[in-house]
Amino acid sequence: NAGVTQTPKFQVLKTGQSMTLQCAQDMNHNSMYWYRQDPGMGLRLIYYSASEGTTDKGEVPNGYNVSRLNKREFSLRLESAAPSQTSVYFCASRAGTWGEKLFFGSGTQLSVL
Amino acid sequence: GQQLNQSPQSMFIQEGEDVSMNCTSSSIFNTWLWYKQDPGEGPVLLIALYKAGELTSNGRLTAQFGITRKDSFLNISASIPSDVGIYFCAGQLDFGNEKLTFGTGTRLTIIP
Repeated sequence: NAGVTQTPKFQVLKTGQSMTLQCAQDMNHNSMYWYRQDPGMGLRLIYYSASEGTTDKGEVPNGYNVSRLNKREFSLRLESAAPSQTSVYFCASRAGTWGEKLFFGSGTQLSVL
Repeated sequence: GQQLNQSPQSMFIQEGEDVSMNCTSSSIFNTWLWYKQDPGEGPVLLIALYKAGELTSNGRLTAQFGITRKDSFLNISASIPSDVGIYFCAGQLDFGNEKLTFGTGTRLTIIP
């Protein structure tokens, strides 16, 4: 099993460019999440999807959109990248919502110049 | 919103030493989790705590759910080189609340 797979692993964008971060999980999990990690800030939730067909805002959703394409895939889109979005992005999934183990992907390091 | 403060922010220890770190919150949680992140990887769950006062071990790791529900502690005994990484606490408030709040992390370095 691959677990949670994120692509790309690294990306450099210019301000104003758009891109989509892809995430797929092969564990048949219902819930999927996007986090960003910044130095000294821990992990902050951007968006989540409790089940196929639903998405909700997390702590820092501004500047991002998401799509839960099917049960396996949950993508994160930056429509017009800004330097403040330079960060490491993690996708995660878990079977349910209460006390279930959260599995993380290996991250996407994004730099916006 | 809720904030989790972890301390210390970083630790430099020698192999074989014991390690203690803690996490405090401005409000209560009903689940506390401890994760470890290796360089270039996503966090991996170490220990989950579901009850106030609970003390749970996983090998050399021991974690406690504070009795006030506003704090948690992680101890590592007899540290080894593979313990190097960033340790995060995380709290979840209640059932149906999707948000898992993460602490700011404790970076552990082992001095040769």
